[in-house]
Amino acid sequence: AQKITQTQPGMFVQEKEAVTLDCTYDTSDQSYGLFWYKQPSSGEMIFLIYQGSYDEQNATEGRYSLNFQKARKSANLVISASQLGDSAMYFCAMREGRSYIPTFGRGTSLIVHP
Amino acid sequence: GAVVSQHPSWVICKSGTSVKIECRSLDFQATTMFWYRQFPKQSLMLMATSNEGSKATYEQGVEKDKFLINHASLTLSTLTVTSAHPEDSSFYICSAKRLGGSSYNEQFFGPGTRLTVL
Repeated sequence: AQKITQTQPGMFVQEKEAVTLDCTYDTSDQSYGLFWYKQPSSGEMIFLIYQGSYDEQNATEGRYSLNFQKARKSANLVISASQLGDSAMYFCAMREGRSYIPTFGRGTSLIVHP
Repeated sequence: GAVVSQHPSWVICKSGTSVKIECRSLDFQATTMFWYRQFPKQSLMLMATSNEGSKATYEQGVEKDKFLINHASLTLSTLTVTSAHPEDSSFYICSAKRLGGSSYNEQFFGPGTRLTVL
């Protein structure tokens, strides 16, 4: 079974609008963590946000917030006030137990248009 | 802080030659470095984990004799693709875990190396 599922291969959003990128995960570990990374066309992986399974509050970093719904095993990324520079691939990833190594989803391509 | 560099950023080589890719942590020491491979429009797949001064741990299906990994110091790991073939063409990304880092999000990625084998 897929550990991380990103069902949206591509998303379009208008500049200044908010967008939600979906991510569901599968794990039997009680301790785990969820990441979101941005990969622009240049290829570098840029860390955006992290949510630990025991964190009670949803993680937020500037315009990025993670909508963590533990019972539904979902960890959607919300980008508010989209900017043209947000156009990129976005990967959801999960680490399990004591491992530092994340498993990545297939990614969602986000295009922000003016 | 927490910058990871890779060299070269891109390389084109002939089939049968070997290619070395370097991954350096520039402003921190890294106990562990990871090597990933990414095919176009696909996800990152972990190839191997390297710890300074010891042998790398390879993921299932990754040929250790083909992808040689050396982690000679706390700031440098190298991946050598031996006898490269066109199917080895891919984007190779390294990441480094900071020495002493206790946070699970303290893994920093390099900018990647695009390998094209003709």
